[in-house]
Amino acid sequence: GENVEQHPSTLSVQEGDSAVIKCTYSDSASNYFPWYKQELGKGPQLIIDIRSNVGEKKDQRIAVTLNKTAKHFSLHITETQPEDSAVYFCAASGDDYKLSFGAGTTVTVRA
Amino acid sequence: EAGVTQFPSHSVIEKGQTVTLRCDPISGHDNLYWYRRVMGKEIKFLLHFVKESKQDESGMPNNRFLAERTGGTYSTLKVQPAELEDSGVYFCASSQVPGGTGELFFGEGSRLTVL
Repeated sequence: GENVEQHPSTLSVQEGDSAVIKCTYSDSASNYFPWYKQELGKGPQLIIDIRSNVGEKKDQRIAVTLNKTAKHFSLHITETQPEDSAVYFCAASGDDYKLSFGAGTTVTVRA
Repeated sequence: EAGVTQFPSHSVIEKGQTVTLRCDPISGHDNLYWYRRVMGKEIKFLLHFVKESKQDESGMPNNRFLAERTGGTYSTLKVQPAELEDSGVYFCASSQVPGGTGELFFGEGSRLTVL
């Protein structure tokens, strides 16, 4: 099955700086790569996703890049704000519709 | 519109006891998923319902876990008898399209602690 590795496990950044989270996946058949954000006391919520026919996607301060050859994808958050503090999960899936998640990155934005 | 709701939010039980977790998906969502996160590790897939049918239960750990989805609406996940390693947060999610192609809507999770 698919195996998704996520790094780092924790990330502390100064407000206004950028944050980058990296994930690798094992199954070359995977073609859908979403990112979920889990705030304290809430369930994970989709913030951005990318499909295998696209190399980069941006939505305001967040962007995701995908390198299918190297089988890795990354989340970039620019101009971080306190409300960006949360646990972020990357995930991957193929035609079996089963999402495999990474272990999560706890992001803390310091004021 | 109500989101995915899960009950209870937290359950503490003794090893060997039984616990039943409930999930009410978003109305109209045929796809319902159960996932589990254990102690800071990855969110692991347990199973996938399409309406009342089990589409994929390859992630269920063993036969101590039983999931049902009555009439294709709410779902229950029963653990009997519970073991220490069953502790974790159990998430339910629902979607209109299969989760590998679109957004999953997650509940807040049910935290299970087995002592």
